[in-house]
Amino acid sequence: EPEVTQTPSHQVTQMGQEVILRCVPISNHLYFYWYRQILGQKVEFLVSFYNNEISEKSEIFDDQFSVERPDGSNFTLKIRSTKLEDSAMYFCASSPTGRYQPQHFGDGTRLSIL
Amino acid sequence: SQQGEEDPQALSIQEGENATMNCSYKTSINNLQWYRQNSGRGLVHLILIRSNEREKHSGRLRVTLDTSKKSSSLLITASRAADTASYFCATDASNAGNMLTFGGGTRLMVKP
Repeated sequence: EPEVTQTPSHQVTQMGQEVILRCVPISNHLYFYWYRQILGQKVEFLVSFYNNEISEKSEIFDDQFSVERPDGSNFTLKIRSTKLEDSAMYFCASSPTGRYQPQHFGDGTRLSIL
Repeated sequence: SQQGEEDPQALSIQEGENATMNCSYKTSINNLQWYRQNSGRGLVHLILIRSNEREKHSGRLRVTLDTSKKSSSLLITASRAADTASYFCATDASNAGNMLTFGGGTRLMVKP
């Protein structure tokens, strides 16, 4: 069964540095998402992406964050000038179309900011 | 803001028993979804129920939705040790971006 793959599985970065989290969504899916889960807290929506543009974003997704689909297969989340509170598990997801479709999640990237 | 809240937060049962988890939310929704998460892994989609549906089944899973009470329940029948995981409800109330709002989850332990 096709899977969403995320790399790296664990990223350790110094505070203030930029980090790029990478995702390969399922190939025929059209919608892409990023969520995060701070340890012990709920899974939180960050952003959704469709047709090469952001379709929805949360209050968390401020100017520090950006997303890109640089080619036909990758979907990236960039965090500029990381903060300690950015430490979390970041999940990428994709869905075939939009509404009424399940979202398929990767196993996540654990981001640790030192 | 809209939130999904599950109860109980933790549930421990014996193999073969049924497990029921409940979810409440605050605003009108397009659909409600249940996901499962094993420790250290991503979320696995279990079932989606639309706002105009009242009940759905998938194998040993049964989901109900009561939009008048803004609540849903997930029933796992004849539980197995392999069902041990965290279970989350997620609501989609978005207009465009299919944003899911997750609850805090129920940690289910099924003892062999």
